[in-house]
Amino acid sequence: AQSVAQPEDQVNVAEGNPLTVKCTYSVSGNPYLFWYVQYPNRGLQFLLKYITGDNLVKGSYGFEAEFNKSQTSFHLKKPSALVSDSALYFCAVRDSSNTGKLIFGQGTTLQVKP
Amino acid sequence: DGGITQSPKYLFRKEGQNVTLSCEQNLNHDAMYWYRQDPGQGLRLIYYSQIVNDFQKGDIAEGYSVSREKKESFPLTVTSAQKNPTAFYLCASSITDLNTEAFFGQGTRLTVV
Repeated sequence: AQSVAQPEDQVNVAEGNPLTVKCTYSVSGNPYLFWYVQYPNRGLQFLLKYITGDNLVKGSYGFEAEFNKSQTSFHLKKPSALVSDSALYFCAVRDSSNTGKLIFGQGTTLQVKP
Repeated sequence: DGGITQSPKYLFRKEGQNVTLSCEQNLNHDAMYWYRQDPGQGLRLIYYSQIVNDFQKGDIAEGYSVSREKKESFPLTVTSAQKNPTAFYLCASSITDLNTEAFFGQGTRLTVV
């Protein structure tokens, strides 16, 4: 079965410091991986995706993610955190069967302190 | 203004009542999805539809029903059989290619009173 794990419920970082939100996956076949962000009482906003090719993917709002096939990881990163980055972050993988559904991790709350 | 619209934003239901949550998209997407979000549990798939007039159960379909009579619309009914319906409900749509992202609505918060 395909799955996604986000091992940290919460990540705390000081403004201006680099941040990393971790994600590991388990899939059969090629992985199609996504990161989304959610602000309180709002829907999910797409940040970036890995399909194939470069292992470093750049996305919206200065975020990037590093794909590591040997470690089956897709960690979200940002060189310099902003207070406004504080939100709930979800990693997801597409079900590679014909359903195409998105399978989500549990989510990680990012808290950036001034 | 293209996108996916959910209504209402907040919904209150008495125990024993059915309620219907609306989801409309003008993105010309074939696939549509309903997810339920509870604190600490991430998003769980309720139902999905890959084409008009067809839909499949997701991981937690019990107590819910859907229809897909039009490409643009995928309403979700929360029936009285759903034991714990209080949650945040999210609708999403996408094209059916695996390498494309899904777009989400702003959500409906359902509370049973």
